[in-house]
Amino acid sequence: EAQVTQNPRYLITVTGKKLTVTCSQNMNHEYMSWYRQDPGLGLRQIYYSMNVEVTDKGDVPEGYKVSRKEKRNFPLILESPSPNQTSLYFCASSLRGRGSDGYTFGSGTRLTVV
Amino acid sequence: GEDVEQSLFLSVREGDSSVINCTYTDSSSTYLYWYKQEPGAGLQLLTYIFSNMDMKQDQRLTVLLNKKDKHLSLRIADTQTGDSAIYFCAESITNFGNEKLTFGTGTRLTIIP
Repeated sequence: EAQVTQNPRYLITVTGKKLTVTCSQNMNHEYMSWYRQDPGLGLRQIYYSMNVEVTDKGDVPEGYKVSRKEKRNFPLILESPSPNQTSLYFCASSLRGRGSDGYTFGSGTRLTVV
Repeated sequence: GEDVEQSLFLSVREGDSSVINCTYTDSSSTYLYWYKQEPGAGLQLLTYIFSNMDMKQDQRLTVLLNKKDKHLSLRIADTQTGDSAIYFCAESITNFGNEKLTFGTGTRLTIIP
């Protein structure tokens, strides 16, 4: 089944403890992206990647890192999480990041930083 | 700049039509999308419309685009309880080869039995 898989689904952590949220897609998509969803704000793009070893900042990149060493994986790294990073996170992928390709979203990771 | 706006809530009686509205500001949008998010789930692409189209119909879904007013709407005919969800409007803009999606705040659709 074609899908985007995120892990974990739920995570509670303490301020300052490094964490990684994994994202993997099995569709050979070139384009991958991370979003965070907050009430009243919709989804905001954190980082995106056009292909392996090509990443760039979205609208809200502060406090996040990403890497794209392989085409299928695009992990989101929080080196020193803070409470304002408590949010619902979505990974998405697209064949080439073009509108006509559409985007496939993962099921989300709900992160709580205390 | 990019800004996509939607009303936060809509309640509709089962069997009636639902109309969810969205306005956007960037006239260079290439595609406009409607996504559906059910509780505890990710976003599911419902439909999209290319910016040079006025209307697109897909079974119970009708998308209308008024490019002059930068207004997009999604009409769901014969609304069912399974249509309860949050609906996100999104526009895509190509900037230096990156096609970025900008989402609205989402409209929570509630079906009244």
